[in-house]
Amino acid sequence: DAGITQSPRYKITETGRQVTLMCHQTWSHSYMFWYRQDLGHGLRLIYYSAAADITDKGEVPDGYVVSRSKTENFPLTLESATRSQTSVYFCASSPSSGTEETQYFGPGTRLLVL
Amino acid sequence: DQQVKQNSPSLSVQEGRISILNCDYTNSMFDYFLWYKKYPAEGPTFLISISSIKDKNEDGRFTVFLNKSAKHLSLHIVPSQPGDSAVYFCAASSNTGNQFYFGTGTSLTVIP
Repeated sequence: DAGITQSPRYKITETGRQVTLMCHQTWSHSYMFWYRQDLGHGLRLIYYSAAADITDKGEVPDGYVVSRSKTENFPLTLESATRSQTSVYFCASSPSSGTEETQYFGPGTRLLVL
Repeated sequence: DQQVKQNSPSLSVQEGRISILNCDYTNSMFDYFLWYKKYPAEGPTFLISISSIKDKNEDGRFTVFLNKSAKHLSLHIVPSQPGDSAVYFCAASSNTGNQFYFGTGTSLTVIP
């Protein structure tokens, strides 16, 4: 199906484990983003990517790693999960320069770190 | 430090009446503003935007007003419908940056 998908939709893990959240878009959008949504903070940008092999930090990048070897995929890895990384994670994409383009969001991944 | 603030976590409105959602920002470099709507278990979806060269943008039942001197924007929904019940996020960006900054969201409930 066309659009932007995230997997898994729900994930429970334990402190210290590595977790990878997947994001896939079918529009060939240049820009992709990872956000986390937490009560009292709204949506905060973790990392973004302007194109394949180009990534940059957002507001809250610590503890996360991203890669973008293909335009359509933008995985987010928590190298050693902590309880503070319990959150809802949203991936988004946009066709060109992100700041004046609408971003299209995936359905989210709800992550619980025990 | 939150650069975009939505001070009302929730709002309830009767069906058919006007809903007014407010958003304040602190960064005078912001020049593009958007509103997103989010239903439970779904990602946010774009609703309406406004550039800083305008003070009003209208799209059907939705109108966004921008007051640059007050660093304030508002979203008006007229008439409100039960299907408008959702969380609304405002977001801002500047052409010197590469990201949007989101507010904390306002949960709107439209009562039939």
